[in-house]
Amino acid sequence: GDSVTQMEGPVTLSEEAFLTINCTYTATGYPSLFWYVQYPGEGLQLLLKATKADDKGSNKGFEATYRKETTSFHLEKGSVQVSDSAVYFCALRGSSASKIIFGSGTRLSIRP
Amino acid sequence: KAGVTQTPRYLIKTRGQQVTLSCSPISGHRSVSWYQQTPGQGLQFLFEYFSETQRNKGNFPGRFSGRQFSNSRSEMNVSTLELGDSALYLCASSLGSVGAASSYEQYFGPGTRLTVT
Repeated sequence: GDSVTQMEGPVTLSEEAFLTINCTYTATGYPSLFWYVQYPGEGLQLLLKATKADDKGSNKGFEATYRKETTSFHLEKGSVQVSDSAVYFCALRGSSASKIIFGSGTRLSIRP
Repeated sequence: KAGVTQTPRYLIKTRGQQVTLSCSPISGHRSVSWYQQTPGQGLQFLFEYFSETQRNKGNFPGRFSGRQFSNSRSEMNVSTLELGDSALYLCASSLGSVGAASSYEQYFGPGTRLTVT
């Protein structure tokens, strides 16, 4: 079945560092791909998405490119801030289903 | 537009009891999905309702059930609670109609934290 594998955490970086969180997927057909963020005590917020190969999703300085050849959707940000501290989830929606399959989540902590 | 609301936000129940959680979707959204989030299993899909019908179901025992009303509000019920049911239960709403991929974009509520003792 469809699945998502993402980088184990926690990840700790200093403010203004470059961030990469790796995500790979297994799916039949052409899934839509997402990154969600969860701040402490809150639900999930959609951070960015891409619906077809080579699409780049971007939001709040975060970017991810849908790479079908490597089945990847890595999250990047050029300069992280303390306020980016949260748990990040990579996810996919299969082409024939309305449910979202999530990765295990990566906890990110940013030091001032 | 108001977001997805879930009530109650926190619940403490005893093993063997049953519990009902409520979710009100964004106005105009007809699909409601439920997820269970635990430290050990992560985020797992429970089920999805669309126009009062269960459209999709995850791999959970029959103790977990749900329903959707004509105004798209949804409830989730867990009977005979077990310690392992302690989790954050998240509800997400979307337009849900077949067609454009954007209609499946899900918006999450803040969750209900259920503790079973």
